[in-house]
Amino acid sequence: NAGVTQTPKFRILKIGQSMTLQCTQDMNHNYMYWYRQDPGMGLKLIYYSVGAGITDKGEVPNGYNVSRSTTEDFPLRLELAAPSQTSVYFCASSGGLQYEQYFGPGTRLTVT
Amino acid sequence: GENVEQHPSTLSVQEGDSAVIKCTYSDSASNYFPWYKQELGKRPQLIIDIRSNVGEKKDQRIAVTLNKTAKHFSLHITETQPEDSAVYFCAARKSQAGTALIFGKGTTLSVSS
Repeated sequence: NAGVTQTPKFRILKIGQSMTLQCTQDMNHNYMYWYRQDPGMGLKLIYYSVGAGITDKGEVPNGYNVSRSTTEDFPLRLELAAPSQTSVYFCASSGGLQYEQYFGPGTRLTVT
Repeated sequence: GENVEQHPSTLSVQEGDSAVIKCTYSDSASNYFPWYKQELGKRPQLIIDIRSNVGEKKDQRIAVTLNKTAKHFSLHITETQPEDSAVYFCAARKSQAGTALIFGKGTTLSVSS
């Protein structure tokens, strides 16, 4: 199993550009999550999904959108990128509410 | 919603000493408490977790204790080694559909030899 994979690993965006961060898991997990991690800070939940077709907002959803059309994929869309969205983005998945969350390797995004 | 506070933010110990990291949570309905370790430039990885029907859990040099009455839980690392140096995050969640893990801000542990 590859686990949780994310692309791209690094990206530089100009202010106002848009992009999609890809996340795929091959563990047949229903639960998937997007977090952002700012330097020296913890993990802030952006959006999460409890199954295909179901998504919900986390702590910091503004400026982002998600979709979950399949169990495997959970892309995160940034519209009109802003410098405040410079961060490392982690996708994660879990098999249930009280099961381990497996994290992807992260995407380092810089908005200038 | 749930709020998780973690202390200290940085912790420096000598190799062989013990390290203790403490977390408090606000939602009494929370019943799952994992700890994650994140090495520099890497993804967070689960090192130990505890559920609310257990007061203490141990795995070799790592142990976690839970006090539901006081709403706090702690990570204990004994006989620390330089490879224990990392950022440690605590988290909490409820067993309720539609909820997610809420993380503390992290503790940077430095173990010097």
